[in-house]
Amino acid sequence: ETGVTQTPRHLVMGMTNKKSLKCEQHLGHNAMYWYKQSAKKPLELMFVYSLEERVENNSVPSRFSPECPNSSHLFLHLHTLQPEDSALYLCASSHGTSLSGELFFGEGSRLTVL
Amino acid sequence: GENVEQHPSTLSVQEGDSAVIKCTYSDSASNYFPWYKQELGKRPQLIIDIRSNVGEKKDQRIAVTLNKTAKHFSLHITETQPEDSAVYFCAAFILSGTYKYIFGTGTRLKVLA
Repeated sequence: ETGVTQTPRHLVMGMTNKKSLKCEQHLGHNAMYWYKQSAKKPLELMFVYSLEERVENNSVPSRFSPECPNSSHLFLHLHTLQPEDSALYLCASSHGTSLSGELFFGEGSRLTVL
Repeated sequence: GENVEQHPSTLSVQEGDSAVIKCTYSDSASNYFPWYKQELGKRPQLIIDIRSNVGEKKDQRIAVTLNKTAKHFSLHITETQPEDSAVYFCAAFILSGTYKYIFGTGTRLKVLA
């Protein structure tokens, strides 16, 4: 499989659950990102990893916890979420370490928090 | 803080007409401005971009113009077709402080057949 793949595509969870979103890129890129997409709002950068090191943490609540075990995989661990966290979570990757390269997005994980 | 304003939020045009979407950015150090297209239920994909040393770039029916002095850039789609219907996002790459993209709020374009 090529490109950026995200699983699961849809997730419904209660506020006390713990779940994880997974992202895998097959493009040989060095940087990976998590974005949050909510209706009528700009794409919101959450985390950036470059060469497996976190280089950006955009004031995200601690109930979101990223993990980047290698340059091809990125996880977003979720626990004790709030209903306002319901959104589409997009993973992306880019080539190089300047972070200004073209973003290749996955199709997203649609999260609903009850 | 840094932000990118995008207008309009929705745009309907007749097939064959032109569509223009405008964005304004706040960080004068920004040097790269991509446009992404997101079809319903699909991932955003880059359609065209422009760097700060160029005033205009064209790729078939789409073009982007940049006015650095006024800090705004625009997407132009000519001879629109139904498959152009999507949400379009502009972005600016921020160099001040942190290195990252700031996105606009998106424009939903509907091309009416």
